[in-house]
Amino acid sequence: GAVVSQHPSRVICKSGTSVKIECRSLDFQATTMFWYRQFPKQSLMLMATSNEGSKATYEQGVEKDKFLINHASLTLSTLTVTSAHPEDSSFYICSARDRGLSPLHFGNGTRLTVT
Amino acid sequence: DQQVKQNSPSLSVQEGRISILNCDYTNSMFDYFLWYKKYPAEGPTFLISISSIKDKNEDGRFTVFLNKSAKHLSLHIVPSQPGDSAVYFCAASVVGSNYKLTFGKGTLLTVNP
Repeated sequence: GAVVSQHPSRVICKSGTSVKIECRSLDFQATTMFWYRQFPKQSLMLMATSNEGSKATYEQGVEKDKFLINHASLTLSTLTVTSAHPEDSSFYICSARDRGLSPLHFGNGTRLTVT
Repeated sequence: DQQVKQNSPSLSVQEGRISILNCDYTNSMFDYFLWYKKYPAEGPTFLISISSIKDKNEDGRFTVFLNKSAKHLSLHIVPSQPGDSAVYFCAASVVGSNYKLTFGKGTLLTVNP
């Protein structure tokens, strides 16, 4: 079945540095990928919709200059957390669907800890 | 404003019995609903979905029921197995919205042997 691979699974960084998270669709092409964020005991909150070849669409309240999204190919989207702060510590998950109407498939997430 | 609500943060069930997980929504525009299962430190895994034109969808041990008038859906797992222990998320979307999903907070299901 469809597989979405996310890397790294866990990252610890110092405050002020930037972190890049990759999301790859392994056996299908994804024109659209979604980035979610989950705080403990909370629901997955959609941050942005990543569109191949065009600018990402950000949800209200998500800073686009802080969370840079690049969807350069049909199989790769990246999320860069710039100038990370401790409050950015969270679980980030990407998802994608193939060109049909199949449900979203999720990566295994990235646990970001900013010290 | 939580548009998808899972009011039970946890549920404990005996192996072999039925597990019923509930979900309510407030946005009447939602017309496609999904259930995802999530283990710790992993991404959600798709379980089952239902379109608003149906009131029931069944896949093996999993059945989802939709009551549009009540804006309520439920996931039934019969019989429950210890391996079903996980967090279950209800999600909803509007078909024309590029499948942007709105999630509930999840319900932790524990199936006791």
